[in-house]
Amino acid sequence: DQQVKQNSPSLSVQEGRISILNCDYTNSMFDYFLWYKKYPAEGPTFLISISSIKDKNEDGRFTVFLNKSAKHLSLHIVPSQPGDSAVYFCAAMYNNNDMRFGAGTRLTVKP
Amino acid sequence: DAGVIQSPRHEVTEMGQEVTLRCKPISGHNSLFWYRQTMMRGLELLIYFNNNVPIDDSGMPEDRFSAKMPNASFSTLKIQPSEPRDSAVYFCASRSGLAGGGEQFFGPGTRLTVL
Repeated sequence: DQQVKQNSPSLSVQEGRISILNCDYTNSMFDYFLWYKKYPAEGPTFLISISSIKDKNEDGRFTVFLNKSAKHLSLHIVPSQPGDSAVYFCAAMYNNNDMRFGAGTRLTVKP
Repeated sequence: DAGVIQSPRHEVTEMGQEVTLRCKPISGHNSLFWYRQTMMRGLELLIYFNNNVPIDDSGMPEDRFSAKMPNASFSTLKIQPSEPRDSAVYFCASRSGLAGGGEQFFGPGTRLTVL
């Protein structure tokens, strides 16, 4: 049962433009959401998070938006850089328990 | 801090053999997680421990899989007997367990190939 879904397996963006990665979830109990970034041959690394009491969190070029009514969150990267090319995983958790991950979206930023 | 350490980094074995994956969490972290990454399902949580105690093993696919955490600095994931469909990258992650949605820190993973 995939409680966290990333429906786009891949995304290609031109350098300098905005990258938007989307994520949907089904469990309304989730109260904390995270984005992880993964390079080949490495483990995922934490990128940015948002609590369910907020609808936006910004950290430099990265902004995460949360729409609780739609059970949807998105990660915006602007401007995109070639070094942002990686697989991005959306994750959700509740009550500080285990985390559920989406299948990931491979982002390619072209120079 | 060396981060989460996993060994081996790569494992190639034949069907039917026993496989043991090892993990050393970050010192002071009291939660440990085992994940499996496949192309089809992405990152799947297999099992997690709090203070060395297994909390949720509902993600463990079959009885062929078992995990232990004998102390705060070591955990193993064992597959016996292994099958080709077990081929995947297995990640271990740890977390400090502080309230408020603490992030998990992942190891580099073990790429398992079962022939």
